[in-house]
Amino acid sequence: EAQVTQNPRYLITVTGKKLTVTCSQNMNHEYMSWYRQDPGLGLRQIYYSMNVEVTDKGDVPEGYKVSRKEKRNFPLILESPSPNQTSLYFCASSLLQGGGPYEQYFGPGTRLTVT
Amino acid sequence: AQKVTQAQTEISVVEKEDVTLDCVYETRDTTYYLFWYKQPPSGELVFLIRRNSFDEQNEISGRYSWNFQKSTSSFNFTITASQVVDSAVYFCALRGNAGGTSYGKLTFGQGTILTVHP
Repeated sequence: EAQVTQNPRYLITVTGKKLTVTCSQNMNHEYMSWYRQDPGLGLRQIYYSMNVEVTDKGDVPEGYKVSRKEKRNFPLILESPSPNQTSLYFCASSLLQGGGPYEQYFGPGTRLTVT
Repeated sequence: AQKVTQAQTEISVVEKEDVTLDCVYETRDTTYYLFWYKQPPSGELVFLIRRNSFDEQNEISGRYSWNFQKSTSSFNFTITASQVVDSAVYFCALRGNAGGTSYGKLTFGQGTILTVHP
């Protein structure tokens, strides 16, 4: 089954404790992206990757890191989480068409709470 | 910078009513792509449609239709004869075409919560 998986689905952590949210897709998609969803703000792009070893900042990259060492995986790293990073996070992947992403497939989401 | 505005935060209708969700965008790119996504109460995000800026034809898919007007920078979404299953958050998104890795940058609107009552 074609899918994007994220782990963990739920995470409660404390300020400053490094964490990684994993994202994996099995569709051989070139493009992957991370978003955060906050009430009233919609979805905001954190980082995206057009292919292996090619990553770029979205609109809200501060406090996050990513890496793309393999095509299927795109982990999101919070080196020193803060309460303002409490949010619902989505990973997505897509084939590239017209130079950019077409239909994005989203993971189920990771609800992160930082206390 | 690109921007997407969905001015309607919440819409409430009764089943079988038609409803239009507005989306207005801003971009300096001469070509770009617009998308709509649906997020039902279960939380997953589902792709509905993509439109290229050079194709202004309206699109209809069953009860769904999309009206793209470049002159007013709008890409509105209409649901005809709404049903309870249409209750969801709907997001409009914009992808620019400025070159290089900027092709991958997507900007979403704030979302419109649609509630369809039986």
